[in-house]
Amino acid sequence: DIQMTQSPSTLSASVGDRVTITCRASQSISHWLAWYQQKPGRAPSLLIYKASRLQSGVPSRFSGSGSGTEFTLTISGLQPDDFATYYCQQYNTYRTFGQGTKVEIK
Amino acid sequence: QVQLQESGPGLVKPSQTLSLTCSVSGGSISSGGHYWNWIRQHPGKDLEWIGYISASGNTYYNPSLKSRVDILVDTSENQFYLNLSSVTAADTAVYFCVRDMGSGSSGPYFDSWGQGTLVTVSS
Repeated sequence: DIQMTQSPSTLSASVGDRVTITCRASQSISHWLAWYQQKPGRAPSLLIYKASRLQSGVPSRFSGSGSGTEFTLTISGLQPDDFATYYCQQYNTYRTFGQGTKVEIK
Repeated sequence: QVQLQESGPGLVKPSQTLSLTCSVSGGSISSGGHYWNWIRQHPGKDLEWIGYISASGNTYYNPSLKSRVDILVDTSENQFYLNLSSVTAADTAVYFCVRDMGSGSSGPYFDSWGQGTLVTVSS
């Protein structure tokens, strides 16, 4: 099994902040990684795929980087709509998700 | 734009089989080379991939659930289905049906999700 570990679990930030979430894989997954945003009571929504490619319609303040075992999601200039939980997910072998990072208002 | 909608019982008794249907609209299950997935989210928020089926009926399951899972497809109805047998309270979760990008160059990431349906396992 490939385990995905996100940090931090919770992040307190203010509007306008630059926010970085880290995701580590237990073994190399090349660039087969996606990031999702989930709001309460809603399904996750795709932000980034193939580690760094922005899904159509997603604001450019979201960016992804990394390869192998270490990946980051960055939000440059946090907006009120961005307070949510974020998940990484590998699709190299089977499919597994990180445990999530909740971005809350400071 | 493709839309997915889950349906099925919200309450299942322990040891019974959980059965859900995903209806796909705005696109054909048979086109685009997509895979059609089931994913669940436990009350504690963890997301768990259950498995997928292709339009041709090829399946791929999470090894931890493989012995209890069956995913089927009916292309004429534009639907796919989940059967999870011998359920326990640990199977209580929100179940999502999800489309992925199949064998495209960017890999099978999940691009379209249903709204999810809560299934509770309780007597």
